[in-house]
Amino acid sequence: DTEVTQTPKHLVMGMTNKKSLKCEQHMGHRAMYWYKQKAKKPPELMFVYSYEKLSINESVPSRFSPECPNSSLLNLHLHALQPEDSALYLCASSTTPYNEQFFGPGTRLTVL
Amino acid sequence: LAKITQPISMDSYEGQEVNITCSHNNIATNDYITWYQQFPSQGPRFIIQGYKTKVTNEVASLFIPADRKSSTLSLPRVSLSDTAVYYCLGPQGAGSYQLTFGKGTKLSVIP
Repeated sequence: DTEVTQTPKHLVMGMTNKKSLKCEQHMGHRAMYWYKQKAKKPPELMFVYSYEKLSINESVPSRFSPECPNSSLLNLHLHALQPEDSALYLCASSTTPYNEQFFGPGTRLTVL
Repeated sequence: LAKITQPISMDSYEGQEVNITCSHNNIATNDYITWYQQFPSQGPRFIIQGYKTKVTNEVASLFIPADRKSSTLSLPRVSLSDTAVYYCLGPQGAGSYQLTFGKGTKLSVIP
């Protein structure tokens, strides 16, 4: 299995909702990432987990809460989002933080 | 912080070789330069990675001169399906494993 899967593919939520994005990989990778990508812009790094521990938080607002329950799973919990948070959220994984990253297809999030 | 600069867009005819150059200052001796390809509404896909001289794989070549202040992605004989955005990635700072994306080069392949 050489892919990163993300669910759901699309998500529409109101500003008072609580939702979660899920990412899964079974390649034995020990680094996992969340990126945010706005239209016609490059992906922006949000969080990095290395060996299930949060190693990088790029000053992301607390309404985004990452969680790494085990080495194969990465969640992003969303609460009280703003319309400007609407974007494509990408998950990626790599063997270690220095190596080639494998990206999932992303979750298209719309905040109303 | 490393600054990654690449052209915003390029056009090429089918069958031609395409070279996309990326400028990157402040990278350490062992820092890698990595290129990704992205199609609309998909995640980026790894193309090639290297840190010196020349690296070649089945889809591309990467040339990095001795001063390492730039690198060139070479795509041989492009086809219409190579129309995509190509991102150059380097370390956020010298020796950092945090990668920073360039703004991307939109390659349009023309029949």
